[in-house]
Amino acid sequence: DGGITQSPKYLFRKEGQNVTLSCEQNLNHDAMYWYRQDPGQGLRLIYYSQIVNDFQKGDIAEGYSVSREKKESFPLTVTSAQKNPTAFYLCASRSSGGSSYEQYFGPGTRLTVT
Amino acid sequence: GNSVTQMEGPVTLSEEAFLTINCTYTATGYPSLFWYVQYPGEGLQLLLKATKADDKGSNKGFEATYRKETTSFHLEKGSVQVSDSAVYFCALNQAGTALIFGKGTTLSVSS
Repeated sequence: DGGITQSPKYLFRKEGQNVTLSCEQNLNHDAMYWYRQDPGQGLRLIYYSQIVNDFQKGDIAEGYSVSREKKESFPLTVTSAQKNPTAFYLCASRSSGGSSYEQYFGPGTRLTVT
Repeated sequence: GNSVTQMEGPVTLSEEAFLTINCTYTATGYPSLFWYVQYPGEGLQLLLKATKADDKGSNKGFEATYRKETTSFHLEKGSVQVSDSAVYFCALNQAGTALIFGKGTTLSVSS
């Protein structure tokens, strides 16, 4: 089955530690995205990548880093510089073909930092 | 800049009631419009979409019409079920970059 996988579903870290969230897709999509979701605030864009080896900052990139070495994978690192990292993180992807621009989402990773 | 505003919740309804969740947008040109649904603890699922003015998106009994004159994309369903309880997000996309989301509306349906 085609889709987007994120692992792990729940992640716990101590303050001051970097942590990497995994996102893999087998939809052959060119573009991939990371969003952060906080209660009552909708989704906010962290980073996105339109092609391999290229990525752009979103609205809240500070304290995060990404890489895009393979088309299928777009891992997100939450660094110790992120002041409030506890949140629900969602990865998405989109085909570059067509004109409707819909994105498909993974199941999310809930990160708790204490 | 582009933005999406949707009605605040929570919306609480009895089973078989009529549902409307309002969504308005601000954008230049002709964005694509979407409704996504999120069940507890899960990612977002695309519910329906519309890509041009007067298009009607529909899926699973839900409908929304792209109204350029009122810059709206209200979500409706004639008879809600308990299983429709979820958070609903209105979103727009323009020029193939990231989606811009509203803050979400929580729907709770009781039997």
